Amino acid sequence: DAGVIQSPRHEVTEMGQEVTLRCKPISGHDYLFWYRQTMMRGLELLIYFNNNVPIDDSGMPEDRFSAKMPNASFSTLKIQPSEPRDSAVYFCASSFGGGTGVYSNQPQHFGDGTRLSIL
Amino acid sequence: GENVEQHPSTLSVQEGDSAVIKCTYSDSASNYFPWYKQELGKRPQLIIDIRSNVGEKKDQRIAVTLNKTAKHFSLHITETQPEDSAVYFCALEGSKLIFGQGTTLQVKP
Repeated sequence: DAGVIQSPRHEVTEMGQEVTLRCKPISGHDYLFWYRQTMMRGLELLIYFNNNVPIDDSGMPEDRFSAKMPNASFSTLKIQPSEPRDSAVYFCASSFGGGTGVYSNQPQHFGDGTRLSIL
Repeated sequence: GENVEQHPSTLSVQEGDSAVIKCTYSDSASNYFPWYKQELGKRPQLIIDIRSNVGEKKDQRIAVTLNKTAKHFSLHITETQPEDSAVYFCALEGSKLIFGQGTTLQVKP
């Protein structure tokens, strides 16, 4: 099992640029979560998908953020335009819920994260 | 709205002592309560979880207790070791999915 794979591991870019973060969930998992982690705000859920469909995006900070999941094995989180306050570690996680409810109620497996720095 | 309060924010213990971290919540619909450990610069990893139909669960030196009436759940680590040093997060799933603020545990040799 390769685990959740995120890319890139590190991203440094100038403000105003578009940033795209990528995630490959564990095969067979039907839930995918995007988190942002900062010292000030801790670990925040941005959005999650169930069977490739966005279920709750209430954590997405503003319209500059968007997420897609075109198929069961790939998801992207895009920031356009980026700002210095977007600097954080972004984690993707997946879990298998088997369709038991709104949330999976199963352990989430996190990727290694993308450390994003916006200059 | 729904929230979870985690205490303490930092905890320092001597090797071999016990450590206890507590989380209180407000959402009575919560039914799944995982705990994650995050070492510096690494990803959060599940260490133990408990569901609402169980009051206590133990896995070697780690245990979790749940009091649904009082709406709190706690992580207990016995015989702490330096490698237990990390940030620990509680979380809960119900009508919302939220994480606690984290507890930085330092185990002194």
